[in-house]
Amino acid sequence: EVQLVESGGGLVQPGGSLRLSCAASGFTFSSYSMNWVRQAPGKGLEWVSYISSSSSTIYYADSVKGRFTISRDNAKNSLYLQMNSLRAEDTAVYYCARNSSYWGQGTLVTVSS
Amino acid sequence: DIQMTQSPSSLSASVGDRVTITCRASQGIRNDLGWYQQKPGKAPKRLIYAASSLQSGVPSRFSGSGSGTEFTLTISSLQPEDFATYYCLQHNSYPLGFGGGTKVEIK
Repeated sequence: EVQLVESGGGLVQPGGSLRLSCAASGFTFSSYSMNWVRQAPGKGLEWVSYISSSSSTIYYADSVKGRFTISRDNAKNSLYLQMNSLRAEDTAVYYCARNSSYWGQGTLVTVSS
Repeated sequence: DIQMTQSPSSLSASVGDRVTITCRASQGIRNDLGWYQQKPGKAPKRLIYAASSLQSGVPSRFSGSGSGTEFTLTISSLQPEDFATYYCLQHNSYPLGFGGGTKVEIK
């Protein structure tokens, strides 16, 4: 069974940093590209970042470019999102997703003073 | 960037009703589109992939159609567990684009 479990969310002050993790199991992680998607409270879904299976191709949404960094460790079956210079508008539930098919349950990031 | 316009943004329907939700892409995306259902406090769940293929385990009352720029999700007979928010997602090119969502409420 495919499982994706996010962690690392929490309360952080504006300008702060946070690193999200996504632990994958139930499939060959190194064979799949991965995405981060977020959802602000009461709002719709917003794609954040993409990483190919070998990390050779990476994309970011304009809203996070230069502040967020996606990475993965195929030996540890893990996906990461390093978030720097956080803003109030980054407050959201962050989901990791295998391609666009399977999604984790999400981790809440709250940016507030 | 490809923009996805989803309509309606909300609808009220009764159990047993036929419901149709539409997504329009700002440019052709072949059939690179999925439909997702999201219930409050839960992660989105994919119902349809490749525009018209039913995800394993999803009831057959859900169906998708379309190609290019116009796509439709149909629920043939709405059930109580179908009251949720539905999103389309294009994965033809990055940045990925979601529709704005359709909240299906009980009439």
